[in-house]
Amino acid sequence: AQTVTQSQPEMSVQEAETVTLSCTYDTSENNYYLFWYKQPPSRQMILVIRQEAYKQQNATENRFSVNFQKAAKSFSLKISDSQLGDTAMYFCAFNRQGGSEKLVFGKGTKLTVNP
Amino acid sequence: GAVVSQHPSWVICKSGTSVKIECRSLDFQATTMFWYRQFPKQSLMLMATSNEGSKATYEQGVEKDKFLINHASLTLSTLTVTSAHPEDSSFYICSARDGTGLGRLYFGPGTRLTVT
Repeated sequence: AQTVTQSQPEMSVQEAETVTLSCTYDTSENNYYLFWYKQPPSRQMILVIRQEAYKQQNATENRFSVNFQKAAKSFSLKISDSQLGDTAMYFCAFNRQGGSEKLVFGKGTKLTVNP
Repeated sequence: GAVVSQHPSWVICKSGTSVKIECRSLDFQATTMFWYRQFPKQSLMLMATSNEGSKATYEQGVEKDKFLINHASLTLSTLTVTSAHPEDSSFYICSARDGTGLGRLYFGPGTRLTVT
């Protein structure tokens, strides 16, 4: 079974600074997808970034980028130029390749951006 | 982007009654929908996976007779909490997978259930 581990229950960062959220996972699969989701106080889940395991290049989306280390099974999220609106729960998630496969979530990291 | 709606957004019901939560994909056909439960300050726990026209697949420990899931069409799935009890109070979130293109997953805004 796949597992996703987020070892940082809470983190804080000053506005405009950079923060990195950690995620490790365990799987015997070779092809899979990894995600970071943001859940603000509204509780709406928002996809931040997605990485296909077969791609060596790290995914980036504006201020958000990942450091994907497949051999180490590590998938960290870097948020640059942090903004107050980045304050939220962040969940790392894993999905086996396949149309009906479910997402497996980590326990989440609560990020607070301080003014 | 694709939109998934849930109705109601918030419901209060008395213990022993049943409550139905709807999940709709508004601009795409969802071949697969997922139902999650989230307790305060915790992660999302998958309850079941439903595919249109077939029986839902429940995760271990989830009572299928208590949490009835119906995926009657490619745009609608319902979760019925039967004989609700206070411990069923939680935040229920659905997600829907686009059956076309890249098969992306979209989340609904969630439903807060309070059982008194």
